[in-house]
Amino acid sequence: GAGVSQSPSNKVTEKGKDVELRCDPISGHTALYWYRQSLGQGLEFLIYFQGNSAPDKSGLPSDRFSAERTGGSVSTLTIQRTQQEDSAVYLCASSLVGRGGTDTQYFGPGTRLTVL
Amino acid sequence: GIQVEQSPPDLILQEGANSTLRCNFSDSVNNLQWFHQNPWGQLINLFYIPSGTKQNGRLSATTVATERYSLLYISSSQTTDSGVYFCAVPYNQGGKLIFGQGTELSVKP
Repeated sequence: GAGVSQSPSNKVTEKGKDVELRCDPISGHTALYWYRQSLGQGLEFLIYFQGNSAPDKSGLPSDRFSAERTGGSVSTLTIQRTQQEDSAVYLCASSLVGRGGTDTQYFGPGTRLTVL
Repeated sequence: GIQVEQSPPDLILQEGANSTLRCNFSDSVNNLQWFHQNPWGQLINLFYIPSGTKQNGRLSATTVATERYSLLYISSSQTTDSGVYFCAVPYNQGGKLIFGQGTELSVKP
């Protein structure tokens, strides 16, 4: 079946602009996660959705970052007033259940964001 | 929070050699995943292994949960095995993954 998909694959933007990154999870997966991978910081958790609600937003680095999920499916990560330190690969993952952390997370190909 | 440490950080192998990658974690866990990040950045699931041993072709993994470590074995390495290997464990009820810093493997022909 289809895996996790993300769009765009690459995004180049100017400092101060807003960007939206999209994630389509595996059909039927109730849990969705956003992570960020940047040089020197490794892979960091950003936010977790269970259905359409986000019980854990602890990894969002500032209030310029927000995310939503609609219909228990597609999620959008929005970064407002982008800064150069936001440059990274943004990865989305989904899992069947989420709660309890006992199931496998499957990752999308990522969106490479470059802020000039 | 939980700490995840991987060793070695870098590894260079000649094609055909075997290797062992280690992942230590600081607290008890109910899940552990191993991933391979290929040169294009895709994270590929290798194993879901909270305990015990699993094998998949030339790769196998063992987790000893009581001693808080996991090992990934790569036998008869190939150039396509090159990339970064990550282990990750879930933290708190939502299961967000905490990743180690990875082991960068380079297999030379």
